[in-house]
Amino acid sequence: QSVLTQPPSVSGAPGQRVTISCTGSSSNIGAGYDVHWYQQLPGTAPKLLIYGNSNRPSGVPDRFSGSKSGTSASLAISGLQAEDEADYYCQSYDSSLSVVVFGGGTKLTVL
Amino acid sequence: QLQLQESGPGLVKPSETLSLTCTVSGGSISSSSYYWGWIRQPPGKGLEWIGSIYYSGSTYYNPSLKSRVTISVDTSKNQFSLKLSSVTAADTAVYYCARHRGIAARLEPLDYWGQGTLVTVSS
Repeated sequence: QSVLTQPPSVSGAPGQRVTISCTGSSSNIGAGYDVHWYQQLPGTAPKLLIYGNSNRPSGVPDRFSGSKSGTSASLAISGLQAEDEADYYCQSYDSSLSVVVFGGGTKLTVL
Repeated sequence: QLQLQESGPGLVKPSETLSLTCTVSGGSISSSSYYWGWIRQPPGKGLEWIGSIYYSGSTYYNPSLKSRVTISVDTSKNQFSLKLSSVTAADTAVYYCARHRGIAARLEPLDYWGQGTLVTVSS
């Protein structure tokens, strides 16, 4: 069971907007530690999508956005495209466990 | 363009030691600006951070693996390595090396990843 909780799956039609939640606690997200998001296409390594809660690395489309509030964070994907079908992971740091923590991952299906 | 490449045996026997090396190209592992890490992913499951190292040798380990893990760095070869002892089938996973985007180590995102290497623990 992951320290950061994500929904196992989300889906949406092309062009729609979906959000993926990442729920933590007072020892990680709620303690002020940044949340980062990764996209993992099938059979490939994870790719950094959002860092520092809401910042996009160079080359990441602005269709992807991140936010954080309290003990949770969210990844939003607008204008869904077939190529967005992938697994998405959130990451933060947990001070009580002294460990880098990942969410369990969310599989995005584009209908 | 920075590239990371994992190498090592794809099959390890139970109770033995898993050894992997990550070779960094297109940049220096001795940069004072980054930590370097190991992450693994069991087949069909999520990501687990194993540990991270600075070019000086300073390390952070996942407490759940700490008793079995050693991460080291060889700046002359631009490489860092992972050793995991007393492996069991539960250690079967794709092992990734990656770069932390900054020197705050465990707080930093991982911005460059190797392609990953599958290590199977089986007799």
